[in-house]
Amino acid sequence: DTAVSQTPKYLVTQMGNDKSIKCEQNLGHDTMYWYKQDSKKFLKIMFSYNNKELIINETVPNRFSPKSPDKAHLNLHINSLELGDSAVYFCASSQVSVIAGGGRTGELFFGEGSRLTVL
Amino acid sequence: AQSVTQLGSHVSVSEGALVLLRCNYSSSVPPYLFWYVQYPNQGLQLLLKYTSAATLVKGINGFEAEFKKSETSFHLTKPSAHMSDAAEYFCAVSLARSSNTGKLIFGQGTTLQVKP
Repeated sequence: DTAVSQTPKYLVTQMGNDKSIKCEQNLGHDTMYWYKQDSKKFLKIMFSYNNKELIINETVPNRFSPKSPDKAHLNLHINSLELGDSAVYFCASSQVSVIAGGGRTGELFFGEGSRLTVL
Repeated sequence: AQSVTQLGSHVSVSEGALVLLRCNYSSSVPPYLFWYVQYPNQGLQLLLKYTSAATLVKGINGFEAEFKKSETSFHLTKPSAHMSDAAEYFCAVSLARSSNTGKLIFGQGTTLQVKP
């Protein structure tokens, strides 16, 4: 039973189109993330939601709009796709909690990624 | 602001040889540090993490890493490489404070090649 699942796994589309990627986690975590991995494999955070509330928005173009209908789901909608949007998009989830020393952290569990190719 | 630098984008070792993947961090507050592995066409999987307990951390698949504050390093090692260790390895940092959102900042990754 997959912990973090993303659909679709592959997406090929034309410039200017609108597309969505869906993510679901069955781990009971309260925080979910979208990361973008470019062609050089560099991973950069895009968004994070905690219990359906947006908590991180890392200067991503307005064409990208995340939506979290509940804490188990986080979707990513992209309008007017551009060539530079081609990448692998990873969804992740974690249970961020206080640990010894007073700091907060949690292990990120990643989905298998959605490879978006814009032609 | 925090950041991570992985020295060497490609590391090649022979099967059975020592694996050493280097990671240096920069952080204005005490960090939490992580190593993740990514196999081809898969997501990232946690190998190990440092969260201010023991400085020598043991992870899965025989990997371990040592947090050295004086050197701002968190290098990943494995005594004997297996062919199955060939993958992309990422070092990541987050902040050890109560306001942490769990966000990880990743290094640029190191490709580990294992030769027979």
